Amino acid sequence: EAEVAQSPRYKITEKSQAVAFWCDPISGHATLYWYRQILGQGPELLVQFQDESVVDDSQLPKDRFSAERLKGVDSTLKIQPAELGDSAMYLCASSQRVSSYNEQFFGPGTRLTVL
Amino acid sequence: AQSVTQPDIHITVSEGASLELRCNYSYGATPYLFWYVQSPGQGLQLLLKYFSGDTLVQGIKGFEAEFKRSQSSFNLRKPSVHWSDAAEYFCAVGASNTGNQFYFGTGTSLTVIP
Repeated sequence: EAEVAQSPRYKITEKSQAVAFWCDPISGHATLYWYRQILGQGPELLVQFQDESVVDDSQLPKDRFSAERLKGVDSTLKIQPAELGDSAMYLCASSQRVSSYNEQFFGPGTRLTVL
Repeated sequence: AQSVTQPDIHITVSEGASLELRCNYSYGATPYLFWYVQSPGQGLQLLLKYFSGDTLVQGIKGFEAEFKRSQSSFNLRKPSVHWSDAAEYFCAVGASNTGNQFYFGTGTSLTVIP
């Protein structure tokens, strides 16, 4: 069964350092999402791609976060510099196309701890 | 604005007992509704979804949910809970006017007592 892959699964870093997370969506899925999930809360959308284009990044803290999906396949989310408040689970999801009735398939997530 | 409320932060049930997890949404148009389950340290897995038609939808692992437009609710139910159902459950609404953006509730943590 096809799955969304993410790496690393866990990342511990010190504040002010740079971190990067990688996501490989299900093959053929045009839409890719990055979510942040703070402990005890539901996921919140950071950025949404349709192929290689950003559809929505209104909730992405652009002073420190960046995301790219250069060839419209896999994607990288970067934080520089990391802050204590960035400690969270970062989830990647993909769907076949941009439509509200398309199921989003989630990866296992990257747990980030900033010390 | 779209929003989802899950009133119960934590629920404890005995194994074999029935379960109902509540979800209320706020959305001006036709909602697309989802229930996801998340085991500790894992991603989210889709349990079931509602788009239109029959308001009682069946999902995986014996779960079902009922859409009630008059109450703006989409409650999740299971007639007999198993110990393996212990997890975090999230209700989500898909906004048809914003390109498949999902809005998640804060989740309900389920503990199952043997």
